[in-house]
Amino acid sequence: NAGVTQTPKFRILKIGQSMTLQCAQDMNHNYMYWYRQDPGMGLKLIYYSVGAGITDKGEVPNGYNVSRSTTEDFPLRLELAAPSQTSVYFCASSQNRGSGELFFGEGSRLTVL
Amino acid sequence: AQSVTQLDSQVPVFEEAPVELRCNYSSSVSVYLFWYVQYPNQGLQLLLKYLSGSTLVKGINGFEAEFNKSQTSFHLRKPSVHISDTAEYFCAVSAPRGGADGLTFGKGTHLIIQP
Repeated sequence: NAGVTQTPKFRILKIGQSMTLQCAQDMNHNYMYWYRQDPGMGLKLIYYSVGAGITDKGEVPNGYNVSRSTTEDFPLRLELAAPSQTSVYFCASSQNRGSGELFFGEGSRLTVL
Repeated sequence: AQSVTQLDSQVPVFEEAPVELRCNYSSSVSVYLFWYVQYPNQGLQLLLKYLSGSTLVKGINGFEAEFNKSQTSFHLRKPSVHISDTAEYFCAVSAPRGGADGLTFGKGTHLIIQP
């Protein structure tokens, strides 16, 4: 019963490096999300997807890209890492639009130095 | 668009005492309301939700919340807290007929249980 799986759990990047945070869910959910969590700021939506092949920007998309080639996978790409992208990233999925029960992964802690 | 305000960033409480975590929301349309809990170094998990019907909703671990439409509030309560309730609690809102863009979260309240 894996749910939402994120890798890696921790990563340190140098400024200007690129990386991809992986997210996979095994619940056959159509809706998937990427949030970032910064201390005292709650969660901010980066990107979301309503199904394979369809993605859209959230509140804070700058510096990130996503793709959704399958229902299961929703990777988040950082092209040119900046210190402002130091954060904890959470992937989540949902069965129903608007009904709000999101299932979260355990998070990926990224530090950019 | 919706917004959520959690009035307290940190709430210290003695073990076995009651607690209330406050949440107010703003929206021009009807909403669904949620409380999520985040234990240290973990993802968020759903505590309870209000979609419709009875304004008093019960969740896991003995928590409950009351939806008050006139005061646009959804405060979380527990009559007697345990040390294991130490966590970050997030209030969140979504619009039933809105877009698929997930939930809008408050900034969180850190519940600190003192022995």
